[in-house]
Amino acid sequence: GAVVSQHPSRVICKSGTSVKIECRSLDFQATTMFWYRQFPKQSLMLMATSNEGSKATYEQGVEKDKFLINHASLTLSTLTVTSAHPEDSSFYICSARDAALPSNQPQHFGDGTRLSIL
Amino acid sequence: SQQGEEDPQALSIQEGENATMNCSYKTSINNLQWYRQNSGRGLVHLILIRSNEREKHSGRLRVTLDTSKKSSSLLITASRAADTASYFCATDSWEIQGAQKLVFGQGTRLTINP
Repeated sequence: GAVVSQHPSRVICKSGTSVKIECRSLDFQATTMFWYRQFPKQSLMLMATSNEGSKATYEQGVEKDKFLINHASLTLSTLTVTSAHPEDSSFYICSARDAALPSNQPQHFGDGTRLSIL
Repeated sequence: SQQGEEDPQALSIQEGENATMNCSYKTSINNLQWYRQNSGRGLVHLILIRSNEREKHSGRLRVTLDTSKKSSSLLITASRAADTASYFCATDSWEIQGAQKLVFGQGTRLTINP
């Protein structure tokens, strides 16, 4: 089945550090990928929609300069949390949609990245 | 914004019993999906039901959809300890042509006691 690989699975770093998270579709091409944030015992909140070859679309309240998204190829999207602070600590999850399938098909999710800012 | 409301928020049952989770939403949908999330992991797609469908089965899973009430239910029959997880409903919404954007419910934390 379709696999999405997310790396790293866990990051612990100091406040002020920038952290890059990668999301790769391993066996399919993804023109669209999605980035979510999930706080403990809460649901997933969509942060942005990543579009291959164009600018990402951010949800209301998400700072685009804080969360930089790059989708330079059909199999890779990256999320960079710039100058991370403790309040950015969260579980970040990406998902991808197979470009070869109808757009109403399920998304495929990565295993998430646990980000802890000290 | 989260448009899905799920209940119960937490459910604890004995192994072998059936588990029912409910989801309500606010806007028109193209389809409704159910996902499972094990602790600290990503989401696994369980089942998708289209807006013109009323019921769907997949193994021990049964999903119903009532578009007049804007609600859906997920039934897991003959539960197993491995079913312990959080379950989320998600509805789609079209913002960018050709792209699908999911809006998730708050989730139900299901615990199956051996």
